[in-house]
Amino acid sequence: SQTIHQWPATLVQPVGSPLSLECTVEGTSNPNLYWYRQAAGRGLQLLFYSVGIGQISSEVPQNLSASRPQDRQFILSSKKLLLSDSGFYLCAWSLGQGQNTEAFFGQGTRLTVV
Amino acid sequence: AQKVTQAQTEISVVEKEDVTLDCVYETRDTTYYLFWYKQPPSGELVFLIRRNSFDEQNEISGRYSWNFQKSTSSFNFTITASQVVDSAVYFCALSSGSARQLTFGSGTQLTVLP
Repeated sequence: SQTIHQWPATLVQPVGSPLSLECTVEGTSNPNLYWYRQAAGRGLQLLFYSVGIGQISSEVPQNLSASRPQDRQFILSSKKLLLSDSGFYLCAWSLGQGQNTEAFFGQGTRLTVV
Repeated sequence: AQKVTQAQTEISVVEKEDVTLDCVYETRDTTYYLFWYKQPPSGELVFLIRRNSFDEQNEISGRYSWNFQKSTSSFNFTITASQVVDSAVYFCALSSGSARQLTFGSGTQLTVLP
């Protein structure tokens, strides 16, 4: 069966520090991968999605970036965090090959920038 | 462009009451998929159901049922005989056309009181 792992679960970082959140998927090949952010107030905002290694699409311009160095690994990064980057970050995967299938989510990372 | 509207921000019911969560969507595509997710206090999004635009049959799964009506662009979710464990934020989502990512509504916070 497929599983998705996301870490760390919680993170407190000072303003201006770098960020690296990692997400890995097991049990499937060539998944679509996603990073979402959920700010206070519940709305889910798509940040990045990837349909393959090295292929990243950005939905919202900001100081965050994403990389996909391996088929089942998706990394969210920042060189310098802002206070506004605080939120709940969720990684997700769905079946590839252009199918519009459901996405399965990791347990999330709660980031607080202080 | 696609959009999902969940007009109910918060709903509070007493245990054993039935409750319906509303979802209205917008898309120009004729082929699309609709989803419901549950987000318990732990934060992880749990997939509940996927529906494609060609299947308007209502679905029932235990205490959960979904009413899909293309004529009103709605995909409502009913919980029968609600329980305290149903307390969570519920999200409706849409995926259509070539977009492989989900567009989420803003969520409905359901509180079931004992």
